Amino acid sequence: TQLLEQSPQFLSIQEGENLTVYCNSSSVFSSLQWYRQEPGEGPVLLVTVVTGGEVKKLKRLTFQFGDARKDSSLHITAAQPGDTGLYLCAGITGGGNKLTFGTGTQLKVEL
Amino acid sequence: AAGVIQSPRHLIKEKRETATLKCYPIPRHDTVYWYQQGPGQDPQFLISFYEKMQSDKGSIPDRFSAQQFSDYHSELNMSSLELGDSALYFCASRWGASGYTFGSGTRLTVV
Repeated sequence: TQLLEQSPQFLSIQEGENLTVYCNSSSVFSSLQWYRQEPGEGPVLLVTVVTGGEVKKLKRLTFQFGDARKDSSLHITAAQPGDTGLYLCAGITGGGNKLTFGTGTQLKVEL
Repeated sequence: AAGVIQSPRHLIKEKRETATLKCYPIPRHDTVYWYQQGPGQDPQFLISFYEKMQSDKGSIPDRFSAQQFSDYHSELNMSSLELGDSALYFCASRWGASGYTFGSGTRLTVV
Protein backbone atom coordinates (compact mmCIF):
# COMPACT_ATOMS: atom_id res chain seq x y z
CA THR A 1 0.00 0.00 0.00
CA GLN A 2 1.44 3.32 -1.11
CA LEU A 3 1.08 5.88 1.66
CA LEU A 4 1.74 8.90 -0.52
CA GLU A 5 0.09 9.28 -3.91
CA GLN A 6 1.30 11.99 -6.26
CA SER A 7 -0.55 13.41 -9.22
CA PRO A 8 -0.06 13.77 -12.02
CA GLN A 9 2.39 10.96 -12.63
CA PHE A 10 3.74 12.61 -15.79
CA LEU A 11 3.58 16.22 -16.91
CA SER A 12 4.91 17.73 -20.12
CA ILE A 13 4.51 21.47 -20.53
CA GLN A 14 5.92 24.42 -22.44
CA GLU A 15 8.34 26.92 -20.99
CA GLY A 16 6.52 29.72 -19.20
CA GLU A 17 3.49 27.68 -18.15
CA ASN A 18 2.42 27.17 -14.55
CA LEU A 19 1.85 23.78 -12.95
CA THR A 20 0.80 22.18 -9.70
CA VAL A 21 1.82 18.78 -8.35
CA TYR A 22 -0.22 17.16 -5.61
CA CYS A 23 0.82 14.76 -2.87
CA ASN A 24 -1.99 13.05 -0.98
CA SER A 25 -2.19 10.57 1.84
CA SER A 26 -4.66 9.13 4.32
CA SER A 27 -1.92 9.29 6.96
CA VAL A 28 -0.88 12.25 9.06
CA PHE A 29 2.76 13.28 8.83
CA SER A 30 4.76 15.25 11.35
CA SER A 31 6.52 16.90 8.44
CA LEU A 32 6.74 16.57 4.71
CA GLN A 33 9.57 17.18 2.31
CA TRP A 34 9.82 17.76 -1.41
CA TYR A 35 12.77 16.52 -3.45
CA ARG A 36 13.88 16.83 -7.05
CA GLN A 37 15.81 14.01 -8.64
CA GLU A 38 17.84 14.04 -11.85
CA PRO A 39 18.42 10.79 -13.79
CA GLY A 40 21.11 8.67 -12.14
CA GLU A 41 21.47 11.03 -9.18
CA GLY A 42 20.19 11.09 -5.63
CA PRO A 43 17.16 13.14 -4.60
CA VAL A 44 17.95 16.73 -3.63
CA LEU A 45 15.95 18.34 -0.86
CA LEU A 46 13.91 21.39 -1.92
CA VAL A 47 11.90 22.19 1.19
CA THR A 48 10.53 20.87 4.48
CA VAL A 49 7.07 21.85 5.70
CA VAL A 50 6.11 21.17 9.28
CA THR A 51 3.02 23.15 10.31
CA GLY A 52 -0.47 22.44 8.96
CA GLY A 53 -1.45 25.17 6.51
CA GLU A 54 2.17 26.27 6.11
CA VAL A 55 3.18 27.90 2.83
CA LYS A 56 6.81 28.21 1.77
CA LYS A 57 8.17 29.94 -1.29
CA LEU A 58 11.45 29.16 -3.00
CA LYS A 59 11.83 31.55 -5.94
CA ARG A 60 9.26 30.30 -8.49
CA LEU A 61 8.27 27.29 -6.36
CA THR A 62 5.48 27.48 -3.78
CA PHE A 63 4.93 24.63 -1.36
CA GLN A 64 1.85 24.17 0.80
CA PHE A 65 1.17 21.73 3.61
CA GLY A 66 -2.48 20.83 4.14
CA ASP A 67 -4.22 21.91 7.34
CA ALA A 68 -4.59 18.29 8.44
CA ARG A 69 -0.94 17.52 7.53
CA LYS A 70 -2.08 14.74 5.17
CA ASP A 71 -1.44 16.42 1.85
CA SER A 72 0.81 18.91 0.15
CA SER A 73 1.18 20.70 -3.13
CA LEU A 74 4.00 22.13 -5.19
CA HIS A 75 3.23 24.98 -7.57
CA ILE A 76 5.77 26.14 -10.13
CA THR A 77 5.30 29.50 -11.82
CA ALA A 78 6.69 30.20 -15.28
CA ALA A 79 8.35 26.80 -15.64
CA GLN A 80 11.77 26.62 -17.26
CA PRO A 81 13.59 23.71 -18.95
CA GLY A 82 15.88 23.56 -15.91
CA ASP A 83 12.87 22.54 -13.82
CA THR A 84 12.73 19.22 -15.66
CA GLY A 85 13.12 16.27 -13.33
CA LEU A 86 11.40 13.81 -11.03
CA TYR A 87 9.63 15.52 -8.12
CA LEU A 88 9.14 13.42 -5.02
CA CYS A 89 7.25 14.24 -1.88
CA ALA A 90 8.32 12.35 1.24
CA GLY A 91 6.62 12.16 4.60
CA ILE A 92 8.02 11.66 8.06
CA THR A 93 5.66 10.10 10.60
CA GLY A 94 5.74 11.15 14.21
CA GLY A 95 8.23 9.20 16.30
CA GLY A 96 9.94 7.69 13.28
CA ASN A 97 12.88 9.03 11.38
CA LYS A 98 12.66 7.41 7.99
CA LEU A 99 11.27 9.01 4.87
CA THR A 100 8.39 7.47 3.00
CA PHE A 101 8.49 8.66 -0.58
CA GLY A 102 5.55 9.43 -2.80
CA THR A 103 4.96 7.85 -6.18
CA GLY A 104 6.72 10.70 -7.97
CA THR A 105 5.87 13.19 -10.71
CA GLN A 106 8.03 13.26 -13.81
CA LEU A 107 8.08 16.82 -15.16
CA LYS A 108 9.38 17.80 -18.58
CA VAL A 109 9.53 21.44 -19.57
CA GLU A 110 10.13 22.06 -23.26
CA LEU A 111 11.24 25.20 -25.08
CA ALA B 1 30.75 21.41 1.16
CA ALA B 2 31.28 17.70 1.73
CA GLY B 3 28.48 15.48 0.49
CA VAL B 4 27.47 11.88 0.98
CA ILE B 5 29.89 9.66 -0.91
CA GLN B 6 28.84 6.31 -2.29
CA SER B 7 31.00 3.72 -3.93
CA PRO B 8 31.12 2.24 -6.39
CA ARG B 9 28.97 4.37 -8.72
CA HIS B 10 28.30 1.43 -10.98
CA LEU B 11 28.49 -2.31 -10.33
CA ILE B 12 27.73 -5.28 -12.54
CA LYS B 13 27.34 -8.68 -10.93
CA GLU B 14 26.11 -12.08 -12.02
CA LYS B 15 23.22 -13.92 -10.42
CA ARG B 16 24.06 -15.59 -7.12
CA GLU B 17 27.14 -13.39 -6.62
CA THR B 18 27.64 -11.04 -3.69
CA ALA B 19 28.05 -7.28 -3.67
CA THR B 20 29.12 -4.70 -1.10
CA LEU B 21 28.01 -1.09 -1.38
CA LYS B 22 29.68 1.60 0.69
CA CYS B 23 28.39 4.91 2.03
CA TYR B 24 30.41 7.67 3.63
CA PRO B 25 28.09 10.19 5.33
CA ILE B 26 28.66 13.89 5.75
CA PRO B 27 31.13 14.45 8.61
CA ARG B 28 29.37 14.53 12.00
CA HIS B 29 26.16 13.09 10.58
CA ASP B 30 25.24 10.25 12.91
CA THR B 31 22.35 8.64 11.03
CA VAL B 32 22.54 6.73 7.77
CA TYR B 33 19.65 5.48 5.65
CA TRP B 34 19.66 3.04 2.73
CA TYR B 35 17.09 3.17 -0.07
CA GLN B 36 16.49 1.04 -3.14
CA GLN B 37 15.02 2.60 -6.29
CA GLY B 38 13.95 0.32 -9.11
CA PRO B 39 13.52 1.60 -12.68
CA GLY B 40 10.69 4.11 -12.77
CA GLN B 41 9.97 3.56 -9.08
CA ASP B 42 10.15 5.79 -6.03
CA PRO B 43 12.88 5.05 -3.47
CA GLN B 44 11.99 2.31 -0.99
CA PHE B 45 13.45 2.39 2.51
CA LEU B 46 15.68 -0.56 3.37
CA ILE B 47 17.38 0.10 6.71
CA SER B 48 18.83 2.84 8.87
CA PHE B 49 21.49 3.23 11.54
CA TYR B 50 21.91 5.75 14.34
CA GLU B 51 25.17 5.89 16.25
CA LYS B 52 26.24 2.53 14.77
CA MET B 53 23.08 0.75 15.91
CA GLN B 54 20.25 -0.33 13.62
CA SER B 55 17.45 2.17 14.19
CA ASP B 56 14.78 1.09 11.72
CA LYS B 57 14.18 -1.64 9.19
CA GLY B 58 12.12 -1.53 6.04
CA SER B 59 11.70 -3.85 3.10
CA ILE B 60 15.21 -5.26 3.20
CA PRO B 61 15.48 -8.89 2.02
CA ASP B 62 17.03 -11.44 4.35
CA ARG B 63 19.81 -11.87 1.75
CA PHE B 64 20.93 -8.33 2.52
CA SER B 65 22.66 -7.09 5.64
CA ALA B 66 24.13 -3.77 6.63
CA GLN B 67 26.15 -2.18 9.36
CA GLN B 68 27.56 1.16 10.42
CA PHE B 69 31.17 1.31 11.51
CA SER B 70 32.98 3.35 14.17
CA ASP B 71 33.83 6.05 11.61
CA TYR B 72 30.08 6.22 10.73
CA HIS B 73 30.48 4.87 7.25
CA SER B 74 28.03 2.15 6.34
CA GLU B 75 28.12 -0.91 4.11
CA LEU B 76 25.25 -2.76 2.50
CA ASN B 77 26.10 -6.40 1.84
CA MET B 78 24.02 -8.25 -0.71
CA SER B 79 24.28 -11.99 -1.26
CA SER B 80 22.72 -14.50 -3.67
CA LEU B 81 21.97 -11.65 -6.04
CA GLU B 82 18.86 -11.92 -8.19
CA LEU B 83 17.93 -10.14 -11.39
CA GLY B 84 15.30 -8.20 -9.45
CA ASP B 85 17.99 -6.66 -7.26
CA SER B 86 19.06 -4.49 -10.19
CA ALA B 87 18.36 -0.94 -9.03
CA LEU B 88 19.82 2.32 -7.84
CA TYR B 89 20.85 2.12 -4.21
CA PHE B 90 20.95 5.41 -2.35
CA CYS B 91 22.42 6.27 0.97
CA ALA B 92 21.36 9.36 2.90
CA SER B 93 22.79 10.88 6.05
CA ARG B 94 21.37 13.20 8.64
CA TRP B 95 22.36 14.85 11.92
CA GLY B 96 19.63 15.39 14.49
CA ALA B 97 16.62 17.09 12.92
CA SER B 98 18.56 18.40 9.96
CA GLY B 99 17.53 17.64 6.42
CA TYR B 100 18.43 14.43 4.67
CA THR B 101 21.30 14.53 2.21
CA PHE B 102 21.40 11.82 -0.41
CA GLY B 103 24.43 10.45 -2.19
CA SER B 104 24.57 10.01 -5.95
CA GLY B 105 23.81 6.34 -5.59
CA THR B 106 25.23 3.04 -6.77
CA ARG B 107 23.70 1.55 -9.88
CA LEU B 108 23.71 -2.21 -9.47
CA THR B 109 23.06 -4.36 -12.51
CA VAL B 110 22.61 -8.10 -12.02
CA VAL B 111 23.03 -10.16 -15.18
